[in-house]
Amino acid sequence: QVQLVQSGSELKKPGASVKVSCETSGYSFTNYSLSWVRQAPGQGLEWVGWINTNTGNPTYAQDFTGRFVLSLDTSVSTAYLQISSLKAEDTAVYYCARGGANDYWGQGTVVAVSS
Amino acid sequence: QLVLTQSPAASASLGDSVMLTCTLSSAYSSYTIAWHQQQPQKGPRLLMKIKSDGSHTRGDEIPDRFSGSSSGADRHLTISSLQSEDEADYYCQSWGTGMVFGGGTKLTVL
Repeated sequence: QVQLVQSGSELKKPGASVKVSCETSGYSFTNYSLSWVRQAPGQGLEWVGWINTNTGNPTYAQDFTGRFVLSLDTSVSTAYLQISSLKAEDTAVYYCARGGANDYWGQGTVVAVSS
Repeated sequence: QLVLTQSPAASASLGDSVMLTCTLSSAYSSYTIAWHQQQPQKGPRLLMKIKSDGSHTRGDEIPDRFSGSSSGADRHLTISSLQSEDEADYYCQSWGTGMVFGGGTKLTVL
């Protein structure tokens, strides 16, 4: 069965970096793009960007350019979200999801940024 | 630009039916959307995809109490025989060159 398993919760200080992983299984990794979605506390879902798993080409939402980097390791069917220069407002749950329709979701990774 | 509009809140009684609506911005009225359910303290899950012709495809293990339809730029999610576990946030979402989410509808089951 299709599974997207994300790495565990992170607590970081402002200015640090974090890298969240999304390990997939149960399907051909390169057949579907992978999106990342942010959910700040008490807020709705917000698209961060997606990555073409064939070419490795990422596309970012307007509010997520610069400090957010999407990458892949196709040898282990895993996608990554790296956030640099962390700010308190980056505190959120980050989800990965498969394909344009987000038909399967990871369980979410809490990233907390606090001094 | 692609914008999805949802009412912030809805309510209906146990056992009744409720229709939630997602409206696409007019230039994108032919787009397919997806509905996702997020129960309290859980991650989202796909309920269904709905095309402009009203045809829809449910996600894995989604019961047929959940159905979809379309009318112009509106994409409807109808939940029949409401159960307590249907109390959740519902998000519509679409995609093209990028992806957009609606603001979500909080459904209360009375």
